Amino acid sequence: GIQVEQSPPDLILQEGANSTLRCNFSDSVNNLQWFHQNPWGQLINLFYIPSGTKQNGRLSATTVATERYSLLYISSSQTTDSGVYFCAVDSSNFNKFYFGSGTKLNVKP
Amino acid sequence: GAGVSQSPSNKVTEKGKDVELRCDPISGHTALYWYRQRLGQGLEFLIYFQGNSAPDKSGLPSDRFSAERTGESVSTLTIQRTQQEDSAVYLCASSLGYQALRRPTYNEQFFGPGTRLTVL
Repeated sequence: GIQVEQSPPDLILQEGANSTLRCNFSDSVNNLQWFHQNPWGQLINLFYIPSGTKQNGRLSATTVATERYSLLYISSSQTTDSGVYFCAVDSSNFNKFYFGSGTKLNVKP
Repeated sequence: GAGVSQSPSNKVTEKGKDVELRCDPISGHTALYWYRQRLGQGLEFLIYFQGNSAPDKSGLPSDRFSAERTGESVSTLTIQRTQQEDSAVYLCASSLGYQALRRPTYNEQFFGPGTRLTVL
């Protein structure tokens, strides 16, 4: 199956700092999503972005499908941004999503 | 309902017992997914349904695991003769799935809150 690598695995930020999370994948994809898993375990949809750029408030994402990577930008981080960020991709017609191992973000006040 | 719901939210069972986990997808979503997440790990794909059929069962860890879906609605994941290594959070997601003409459609997944399974 498709390989999904996320970096960095762990990230500690001071509140107000900016960060970039990366997702590399080994094959062309039909679907790509970014999720935030909060401390209670709920997966929250951030972006559905198989290609292009999207923005939502302090968050934005860019997927360069031809180069097989996606970036998630977090600006002016807040303590509520803490949690694990997952990238998930699907390269098949069967909608089988492969998840990266996640980036664990800790934003300190 | 407004979102994907799962029940029970927590399940504690003894080794060797059977358990059933339930998922109610978002109304109108034809695709349904099951994942497993062990503590501190990423999500592991188990099975995917498009309507009632499961085109891909390759993620099921063993023959003790099975899943079914009735209509384009509720799905149950059954684990027989549970083992301690089955302890994990089991997550369900749904998406719009394929259009009638079998063209890939906007297929964003939405997740339920999960069932935390503990096998003693």
